[in-house]
Amino acid sequence: DGGITQSPKYLFRKEGQNVTLSCEQNLNHDAMYWYRQDPGQGLRLIYYSQIVNDFQKGDIAEGYSVSREKKESFPLTVTSAQKNPTAFYLCASSIGQAIGVTGELFFGEGSRLTVL
Amino acid sequence: AQKVTQAQTEISVVEKEDVTLDCVYETRDTTYYLFWYKQPPSGELVFLIRRNSFDEQNEISGRYSWNFQKSTSSFNFTITASQVVDSAVYFCALGDYGGSQGNLIFGKGTKLSVKP
Repeated sequence: DGGITQSPKYLFRKEGQNVTLSCEQNLNHDAMYWYRQDPGQGLRLIYYSQIVNDFQKGDIAEGYSVSREKKESFPLTVTSAQKNPTAFYLCASSIGQAIGVTGELFFGEGSRLTVL
Repeated sequence: AQKVTQAQTEISVVEKEDVTLDCVYETRDTTYYLFWYKQPPSGELVFLIRRNSFDEQNEISGRYSWNFQKSTSSFNFTITASQVVDSAVYFCALGDYGGSQGNLIFGKGTKLSVKP
């Protein structure tokens, strides 16, 4: 089935460690996104990428890094510089960037990161 | 500034009741898109509807209906004869008409619990 796969589903990290969250899609979508969701909050954009080897910062990029070496993959690294990393992280994709063209975002099931 | 307000944090109904989820938005743009997404317990957001600001017709899809009123900046979502499977968090979102999926503004969500 086509879709977005995020792993791991649950992740625990000690303070000071970097962790990488995986996001893979087989929808042949050009655009991919990372969102952060905190309890009782809407989604906040961390990074997004329109094409391979290109990405832009979202609203809360500090303390995070991404890469887009392949069309189907968009991993997110939560670095030790992120002061409050405990959250639910969602990866999404769309056919293209423009809302008028793509219509909708497709989401993975998320990764829940807890810092101990 | 653009903003989406979902004033109802949590709603609880009994199966077969009708329920309306409110969404009020703020934007200076005259043209824009509005969305509703559903987030079931599994975590991924699922697209429900996209509406552009030109089209103020109400839309019905099975038990779901949407009431877009530009005069009051509202885009409310009604579920008729609710079912336990409707239990989820529902997000309303606002996007620029010529803009990017990455710039969607999400509300904080309304958690709907449907009890048998």
